[in-house]
Amino acid sequence: EIVMTQSPATLSVSPGERATLSCRASQSVSSNLAWYQQKPGQAPRLLIYGASTRATGIPARFSGSGSGTEFTLTISSLQSEDFAVYYCQQYNNWPFTFGQGTKVEIK
Amino acid sequence: EVQLVESGGGLVKPGGSLRLSCAASGFTFSSYSMNWVRQAPGKGLEWVSSISSSSSYIYYADSVKGRFTISRDNAKNSLYLQMNSLRAEDTAVYYCARELGRVLDVWGQGTTVTVSS
Repeated sequence: EIVMTQSPATLSVSPGERATLSCRASQSVSSNLAWYQQKPGQAPRLLIYGASTRATGIPARFSGSGSGTEFTLTISSLQSEDFAVYYCQQYNNWPFTFGQGTKVEIK
Repeated sequence: EVQLVESGGGLVKPGGSLRLSCAASGFTFSSYSMNWVRQAPGKGLEWVSSISSSSSYIYYADSVKGRFTISRDNAKNSLYLQMNSLRAEDTAVYYCARELGRVLDVWGQGTTVTVSS
């Protein structure tokens, strides 16, 4: 099973600032990497797939990069609605596996 | 509107059984693989099971293999998860999710399963 490791566990950022979240895979997943956003009491929402393609309706301030084992999600200018938990997930191999999440909180 | 609505959660004793359902609408259900993903209280996401559009391919997480069974009824636009021999560690919110190109692009709001005596 591929282990996904996200860092940091918590990121404290002021509104308007840039946030950079990392995700590392225990072995190469090529570009088969997705990012999800989850707010309290809500279901996860797909943000990015194919490591860098934004899902329908996702604002351009969200961008993804990386391939192989190292990936990054960048939120260019944090808005109030962006404070949430973010998960990466690989879909290169079964079983699908998620990272443990990064909580983006207001500084 | 594309929508997934889970039901069937509840409180069950260890060793008991429960059947979850997921009703799909707003898209051609029979064309998509479907998944179950769970989230234990205060924890992260854990993929549980996947079923292809025609039920030809089925996958399970090791943690549920032999105890859970995924199925679907394309005529009823419905996905199911039969959960047997439930354990305390199965306590979680269970989400159904549509799979598009192996990406989970649409999620339901979840149904809560609590396993406790």
